[in-house]
Amino acid sequence: DAGVTQSPTHLIKTRGQQVTLRCSPKSGHDTVSWYQQALGQGPQFIFQYYEEEERQRGNFPDRFSGHQFPNYSSELNVNALLLGDSALYLCASSPRGTGYTFGSGTRLTVV
Amino acid sequence: SQKIEQNSEALNIQEGKTATLTCNYTNYSPAYLQWYRQDPGRGPVFLLLIRENEKEKRKERLKVTFDTTLKQSLFHITASQPADSATYLCGMNTGFQKLVFGTGTRLLVSP
Repeated sequence: DAGVTQSPTHLIKTRGQQVTLRCSPKSGHDTVSWYQQALGQGPQFIFQYYEEEERQRGNFPDRFSGHQFPNYSSELNVNALLLGDSALYLCASSPRGTGYTFGSGTRLTVV
Repeated sequence: SQKIEQNSEALNIQEGKTATLTCNYTNYSPAYLQWYRQDPGRGPVFLLLIRENEKEKRKERLKVTFDTTLKQSLFHITASQPADSATYLCGMNTGFQKLVFGTGTRLLVSP
């Protein structure tokens, strides 16, 4: 049984560019959450998707947007990249908000 | 908003001893308090979940307590092993609300 799959694993982008990160949730999980984790910090909540709609959002600017597809997979888009967007981006899926399963993350470096 | 505090200093213990990690929170008591393990460069891995009406939860060498009066959870690893060395994250949510994390505590178990 595959867990949460994220792609790509690593990415280098230039300031001002746009990036799309992808996530396939664990089988049977319908809720997908995205987190940003800076080095030495805990994961910071970006947003959560359920039934193809953004259900909750953390304190992130509108440059961060997302989408959930009918098969529950999800994308995170970041526009106008800043150096400070460099971080590990984590996707987590869950059934009804308990016992999240995380992917291994996408390491984004903005230069 | 909810604030979660974990000891940012690393906890160093000897193999065989019991490791105890602390998680304190402000404001409301969450419905679910969750503990995760995170290894460097990897996504968090779910360990245990305890509900607000539960005092204690055990799983093999792990034990979690939840004191809503003190607004505190303790996470214990008995008979610790070097393989237990990792960062441990405390997270909280209520129902379908977002899962919020503390900064994590790094545990180092020396042989």
